Amino acid sequence: KQEVTQIPAALSVPEGENLVLNCSFTDSAIYNLQWFRQDPGKGLTSLLLIQSSQREQTSGRLNASLDKSSGRSTLYIAASQPGDSATYLCAVGNDYKLSFGAGTTVTVRA
Amino acid sequence: DAGVTQSPTHLIKTRGQQVTLRCSPKSGHDTVSWYQQALGQGPQFIFQYYEEEERQRGNFPDRFSGHQFPNYSSELNVNALLLGDSALYLCASSLWYRNSYGYTFGSGTRLTVV
Repeated sequence: KQEVTQIPAALSVPEGENLVLNCSFTDSAIYNLQWFRQDPGKGLTSLLLIQSSQREQTSGRLNASLDKSSGRSTLYIAASQPGDSATYLCAVGNDYKLSFGAGTTVTVRA
Repeated sequence: DAGVTQSPTHLIKTRGQQVTLRCSPKSGHDTVSWYQQALGQGPQFIFQYYEEEERQRGNFPDRFSGHQFPNYSSELNVNALLLGDSALYLCASSLWYRNSYGYTFGSGTRLTVV
């Protein structure tokens, strides 16, 4: 059974600081890894999708890396802004489902 | 391009009742999956539908059932509601033969059982 862990559970930083969110998973037989953002009480917004054959993906201020052999992914958010405050979820995909971590709740202080 | 649409957005039901949630997938997607997200936790996989059949199922009791229609839209039914069924129910759509392309999620239905 795939187990996904996200550390830390919560993070509070001043505006402008870079964010580093960690995700680990136990089974390396994955199709892909997706990072999502979730605002309170809302649905999931996909941020980045990394295929199992890729090492990283970038979109604007966001960069995600994937080390499948060690079962780790890291999401970097550069120059954080108050609008980045949300819960970030890591999800590992196999052939039919996503396995999620519990998320990291980020607060960016103005 | 319309994304995933879920209805209703909020719902309050009494223990023992039955509920139906609805989902329209993103245009061009043919596969619909349902997830349950309890407060403070990550979403848990309920089941996935493709070609109007349940293809895979997570660790949920038979009280949870679903349906997919020819236009790829889907329903999630929950019978004999328990207090513990209170959660955000998320629908996700994808392409069956290109699961590596990832999933698109809807905004969810917040179900409260009292």
